[in-house]
Amino acid sequence: EVQLVQSGAEVKKPGESLKISCKGSGYSFTSYWIGWVRQMPGKGLEWMGIIYPGDSDTRYSPSFQGQVTISADKSISTAYLQWSSLKASDTAMYYCARGGTLLWFGDDWFDPWGQGTLVTVSS
Amino acid sequence: DIQMTQSPSSLSASVGDRVTITCQASQDISNYLNWYQQKPGKAPKLLIYDASNLETGVPSRFSGSGSGTDFTFTISSLQPEDIATYYCQQYDNLPPLFTFGPGTKVDIK
Repeated sequence: EVQLVQSGAEVKKPGESLKISCKGSGYSFTSYWIGWVRQMPGKGLEWMGIIYPGDSDTRYSPSFQGQVTISADKSISTAYLQWSSLKASDTAMYYCARGGTLLWFGDDWFDPWGQGTLVTVSS
Repeated sequence: DIQMTQSPSSLSASVGDRVTITCQASQDISNYLNWYQQKPGKAPKLLIYDASNLETGVPSRFSGSGSGTDFTFTISSLQPEDIATYYCQQYDNLPPLFTFGPGTKVDIK
């Protein structure tokens, strides 16, 4: 079974750093893109960026470029999303999701999704 | 950037009703349009890819159609377990960009 399992909920203070994880199993982790999606409380889905664990090729949404860092460790089939200095506005649920083998039309959906990691930033 | 709109933003229907949601792209996206279901408190789930292809294991009461700029998602007979928010999603390549529609919340009347 293809599965993505994310790390647990986090409560942080503004200015702190954070790295959350997404571990893939049941498929060739290095052969599929992994995307990250933000969902702020009561709001819709926003694509943040995507990484190809095979060579760590990473692309960011312009809205999130410079705000977060996406990385992967293929030796342990895990992708990461990290912040160097959190803000209250980073409070949200964050999902990882498997993309396609290509970053191209017709291979451009996300399936499956991780269970989500709730990040709460509050003083 | 390609903009996505969905309508309605919410709807309330009775069990057994036919439910239709539309998604419109700001420019031609061929058939590269996907649909997701997000139940309350859960992660999104892929239902339809490439506008009309039903993901494996998804009930046949769900369907999608359309191409170009106008797309339709249909639940042929609404069931209580279909209470969820439904999102369309498209991909653009220059630069790589995934865009979700704003979502349609479906409730039981």
